[in-house]
Amino acid sequence: AQSVTQPDIHITVSEGASLELRCNYSYGATPYLFWYVQSPGQGLQLLLKYFSGDTLVQGIKGFEAEFKRSQSSFNLRKPSVHWSDAAEYFCAVALYRDDKIIFGKGTRLHILP
Amino acid sequence: ETGVTQTPRHLVMGMTNKKSLKCEQHLGHNAMYWYKQSAKKPLELMFVYNFKEQTENNSVPSRFSPECPNSSHLFLHLHTLQPEDSALYLCASSQGSRDYNEQFFGPGTRLTVL
Repeated sequence: AQSVTQPDIHITVSEGASLELRCNYSYGATPYLFWYVQSPGQGLQLLLKYFSGDTLVQGIKGFEAEFKRSQSSFNLRKPSVHWSDAAEYFCAVALYRDDKIIFGKGTRLHILP
Repeated sequence: ETGVTQTPRHLVMGMTNKKSLKCEQHLGHNAMYWYKQSAKKPLELMFVYNFKEQTENNSVPSRFSPECPNSSHLFLHLHTLQPEDSALYLCASSQGSRDYNEQFFGPGTRLTVL
């Protein structure tokens, strides 16, 4: 069955430090992958997506993600985090010709001043 | 209005009340979704509507009753809820007819059941 795994429930980094959030997926076909961000009490906002082409994708707010087929991974990165990046981050995979998306359980990012 | 809107943003209700949550999308999409997000739990897909037809009911209790009168509007009717139903209810929409369907989310309704 299709699944998305985010192995880190919480991550804490200092402001200005680099960030990498991990995501692994299990899906037999070519995946369509997303990263969403959710600030407290808010809906989910799309950060970036990958469907095909260049495996390094750029998103909003200075985020990027790299698709690695051999590792079934789609890790999210940012070179220098800001206090406003504190939020919950969800990795997700869209299924081919299906109206549903499979979400990971999320990683909550904490920023130290 | 743009994107996906939800009203009300906050709702407090007693267990014997009847209330409704409303979602409207201004994106020309054909599919709409209800999710439940509880504290310390992952996102739970509740219902999916595609071209106004319900295509998914994820074993949701009958005290939650969805309604999709057209492709732009989605309601969630609530009655005799339990305190454990307190959560953030998120609405989303997608094109619904493509090979891959990206979802766009509303801001959510924070529901508290007393």
